[in-house]
Amino acid sequence: DVKVTQSSRYLVKRTGEKVFLECVQDMDHENMFWYRQDPGLGLRLIYFSYDVKMKEKGDIPEGYSVSREKKERFSLILESASTNQTSMYLCASSFLKAGSYGYTFGSGTRLTVV
Amino acid sequence: AQSVTQLDSQVPVFEEAPVELRCNYSSSVSVYLFWYVQYPNQGLQLLLKYLSGSTLVESINGFEAEFNKSQTSFHLRKPSVHISDTAEYFCAVVKTSYDKVIFGPGTSLSVIP
Repeated sequence: DVKVTQSSRYLVKRTGEKVFLECVQDMDHENMFWYRQDPGLGLRLIYFSYDVKMKEKGDIPEGYSVSREKKERFSLILESASTNQTSMYLCASSFLKAGSYGYTFGSGTRLTVV
Repeated sequence: AQSVTQLDSQVPVFEEAPVELRCNYSSSVSVYLFWYVQYPNQGLQLLLKYLSGSTLVESINGFEAEFNKSQTSFHLRKPSVHISDTAEYFCAVVKTSYDKVIFGPGTSLSVIP
């Protein structure tokens, strides 16, 4: 069964910490995405990548960075965690750039910054 | 800018009753349309999609959605809901010209026994 795996389901971090959220997909997809999900706001795109070593800013990239050293892995980095980054983070991958065949999502990482 | 509106943030419905979750989008160009479902404490799963062809699309668990180009809508329906359908439902749209997917804010469906 194909899947997108996010390394942690729940994380609690302190303000100012550097936080790494890991995402791995086993479908050989070129395209990977990071979203955050907040009540009433739906999903907002943070960063995406269409190829190894490539990254592009989404709609809300401030306070985040990403790394894609290998095709199957896409990491989201919170350089200095703040309480307003408490959220559910969802990783997704797709066969086509715009997800015309749909995205495959991971189970999410619920991050709490205290 | 492209946007997706889901008119109801919460929809409570009794078990075995019909339900319609509404979705409207703003776009003057051709689009692909999707419904995703998110069960509690899980990621999103693709429920159904419209790419082209028949405007009525169906999922394997009894949901259907109809693409209405003139009304720019893609409402999701099920004639008889089950407790297991309790979840958050997201409508999404992408322009066929290879744009990013835009998600709606979601509709929380609660099925009452």
